[in-house]
Amino acid sequence: EAGVAQSPRYKIIEKRQSVAFWCNPISGHATLYWYQQILGQGPKLLIQFQNNGVVDDSQLPKDRFSAERLKGVDSTLKIQPAKLEDSAVYLCASSLTVGSQGLGEQFFGPGTRLTVL
Amino acid sequence: GEDVEQSLFLSVREGDSSVINCTYTDSSSTYLYWYKQEPGAGLQLLTYIFSNMDMKQDQRLTVLLNKKDKHLSLRIADTQTGDSAIYFCAESRTDSWGKLQFGAGTQVVVTP
Repeated sequence: EAGVAQSPRYKIIEKRQSVAFWCNPISGHATLYWYQQILGQGPKLLIQFQNNGVVDDSQLPKDRFSAERLKGVDSTLKIQPAKLEDSAVYLCASSLTVGSQGLGEQFFGPGTRLTVL
Repeated sequence: GEDVEQSLFLSVREGDSSVINCTYTDSSSTYLYWYKQEPGAGLQLLTYIFSNMDMKQDQRLTVLLNKKDKHLSLRIADTQTGDSAIYFCAESRTDSWGKLQFGAGTQVVVTP
């Protein structure tokens, strides 16, 4: 079974530029997550989708970050304009189930390492 | 608060046991997890424990949960060089739709 795919793996941009990340979850996984992992910290959830609807985006900086999951499969995360503090690894994860009844194990992709200069 | 705290670094000799500790603050946590992250890779779920359990064993891994003290530990028996990685403790709650709250991670270095 193929895992969660992400691209690009690395991206270097200058502040105030725009950038987009792509994620392809495991086939059949209804739930998709985007996390931001700053160096030396644990991942922090930015946004969670259930199919193509947003379940939780409370920690997404909506003035510069946006995400979509058209057709409930692939997802893109965009930053416009980028700031220095956005330098981090952006992890995508997917799970089969969500909610209180199931473990909802999350499978993580390898991440996209963003450096903002 | 929802902080999950871990010690930052652990050095262990090959063949010894490693113990990684974690404390959490939310008593309504339902599942508690241990993830492993190797350099340049995503997170891999190692094991988990449901909040009504005290202990779970899975091959070389033993998870202990003390709900009274909100303390979680992961013991790795017979630690190998391949166990060198960053280990994250995480919690989830029934009211958070699977949202994981992670600690900062413990870097484990295994020396020959």
